[in-house]
Amino acid sequence: AQSVTQLDSHVSVSEGTPVLLRCNYSSSYSPSLFWYVQHPNKGLQLLLKYTSAATLVKGINGFEAEFKKSETSFHLTKPSAHMSDAAEYFCVVSEIVKDGNEKLTFGTGTRLTIIP
Amino acid sequence: DARVTQTPRDKVTEMGQEVTMRCQPILGHNTVFWYRQTMMQGLELLAYFRNRAPLDDSGMPKDRFSAEMPDATLATLKIQPSEPRDSAVYFCASGLGSFNEQFFGPGTRLTVL
Repeated sequence: AQSVTQLDSHVSVSEGTPVLLRCNYSSSYSPSLFWYVQHPNKGLQLLLKYTSAATLVKGINGFEAEFKKSETSFHLTKPSAHMSDAAEYFCVVSEIVKDGNEKLTFGTGTRLTIIP
Repeated sequence: DARVTQTPRDKVTEMGQEVTMRCQPILGHNTVFWYRQTMMQGLELLAYFRNRAPLDDSGMPKDRFSAEMPDATLATLKIQPSEPRDSAVYFCASGLGSFNEQFFGPGTRLTVL
């Protein structure tokens, strides 16, 4: 069965310091993995995705994530936080299941707060 | 600048009334998703369509919710009758095929009194 666990519901970092948002997944097949960001009162926006190519994926706004199959992790990082990064972040796993359809599972989200 | 549009943006209604939410996917996208977001439950996938056919609606309460795509430019989500527990923000998203980016609309904020 497919599942996604975002290990922290809330992360606070100071502006200019590194960001680490953790995501672990379980999947029976070869999954695709995504990170989405949601700013207040907005819809979600794709940050980056992994689809079995390079394990280190670079996204928008300086974010990147590394797919580690042995650890079943897809953690999101950014070297230096900016005030505009304050938002909710969702890790998503997608795979083709037995009936041939795509199954999407969203994590519960991590709220990132940036301290000035 | 292509984007997903949703109407209405805000809806306040009374318990028992019918609610219809509409979504216009990005032209050319063949996959449409409906989500519900609440503080308590977070983001839930209700249903999704590919080429206008429903592929998965296992997340949708069948007794009162229905989702359709009358044509490729319109998706609807209907609640009849509505209940206070349906109060949430409902998002529509569209995309191309599987494992690709979803483009989200701005959402419809539904309040059922």
